[in-house]
Amino acid sequence: QKEVEQDPGPLSVPEGAIVSLNCTYSNSAFQYFMWYRQYSRKGPELLMYTYSSGNKEDGSFTAQVDKSSKYISLFIRDSQPSDSATYLCAMSANDYKLSFGAGTTVTVRA
Amino acid sequence: DADVTQTPRNRITKTGKRIMLECSQTKGHDRMYWYRQDPGLGLRLIYYSFDVKDINKGEISDGYSVSRQAQAKFSLSLESAIPNQTALYFCATGGQVGADTQYFGPGTRLTVL
Repeated sequence: QKEVEQDPGPLSVPEGAIVSLNCTYSNSAFQYFMWYRQYSRKGPELLMYTYSSGNKEDGSFTAQVDKSSKYISLFIRDSQPSDSATYLCAMSANDYKLSFGAGTTVTVRA
Repeated sequence: DADVTQTPRNRITKTGKRIMLECSQTKGHDRMYWYRQDPGLGLRLIYYSFDVKDINKGEISDGYSVSRQAQAKFSLSLESAIPNQTALYFCATGGQVGADTQYFGPGTRLTVL
């Protein structure tokens, strides 16, 4: 079993829809939780960063962490075609090493 | 200019050849990493370095070696390339105290024939 599980999708939604992405993990030592966005043929770009449990909002993005369930989520409100990308979750146990999910490919249809 | 640069961006080589991928950063970060990305497998850590004198193996280091020439430079070598090493390779840096965030370069697409 992988340490971080992420449904690869693909996920296709109409413009303006809410995109919901999630990851589950098995390592209870994880404390830092991140979401990266990767456009085709580009490097991953840090999107959201959360420490421990709770919610964090940044523009149209909301990240949620539920450590009791070992479950993290990313929501994209009012999605746009420019949000079409692969979204990777990543997490760390405060050891400066990241464990990544496999990534979910999202397409927002105009 | 990009904070993390990788050269070359694309490379096609033959089985058995030695290949070096280079990474440079202007972020002033101490920590540097090499990953490979394969479809369906996500990013997997090959090697990492927390400073110039510190080199550590990641989860898939077999067949690879690295060199940290300076704080800003971290190179990955494939001593004898094999087709199984065809992948997208990313360099990343990290440097915030108390945070594990990493910042990635644009990647090198390597094809081993």
